[in-house]
Amino acid sequence: DQQVKQNSPSLSVQEGRISILNCDYTNSMFDYFLWYKKYPAEGPTFLISISSIKDKNEDGRFTVFLNKSAKHLSLHIVPSQPGDSAVYFCAARLKNSGGYQKVTFGTGTKLQVIP
Amino acid sequence: ETGVTQTPRHLVMGMTNKKSLKCEQHLGHNAMYWYKQSAKKPLELMFVYSLEERVENNSVPSRFSPECPNSSHLFLHLHTLQPEDSALYLCASSQDRNIQYFGAGTRLSVL
Repeated sequence: DQQVKQNSPSLSVQEGRISILNCDYTNSMFDYFLWYKKYPAEGPTFLISISSIKDKNEDGRFTVFLNKSAKHLSLHIVPSQPGDSAVYFCAARLKNSGGYQKVTFGTGTKLQVIP
Repeated sequence: ETGVTQTPRHLVMGMTNKKSLKCEQHLGHNAMYWYKQSAKKPLELMFVYSLEERVENNSVPSRFSPECPNSSHLFLHLHTLQPEDSALYLCASSQDRNIQYFGAGTRLSVL
């Protein structure tokens, strides 16, 4: 049972346009949501996050939106750049997980930004 | 460089071999994690060590044996693996419930 779902395995966007990556979750006990970015032959790196008490968080070209009623979050990249081409993982942290971060990951969306 | 180093980067082993994966973090974190990433599947959490004590073991077969001798080092000992264990094994560390930092992973092939 996948509690975090990324239904689009891939996405192609023209350079300069907006990239929108989507993620759905099922568990109401998630209190924090994260996006990680992964280049080939590297480990995932943290990109941006949002607390469940907020609906938007912005960091430069990256904005994450959270719709709790729909259990949906999205990552917007504006403007998209060729260097953004990577696999993006959505992740959700479980509330009260003790002294460590227990997260559930989605399967990832491969973003290709075309110059 | 994320501060988390994994060795080896690639490993090919037969089903009767014994090998170990190593992870070292230079971030002063107090929690360390092993994940498995198979093709088209989400990252699967295998083990978590918090303050050098194992706090999660997510139904991982006993042919995988973790070891955390101190807060900076984490090992995954492998023996009598199966071909379906071929995957990317990722190590991560965090300070408490904060952001996890990942290593580059070990690409394991079991023949």
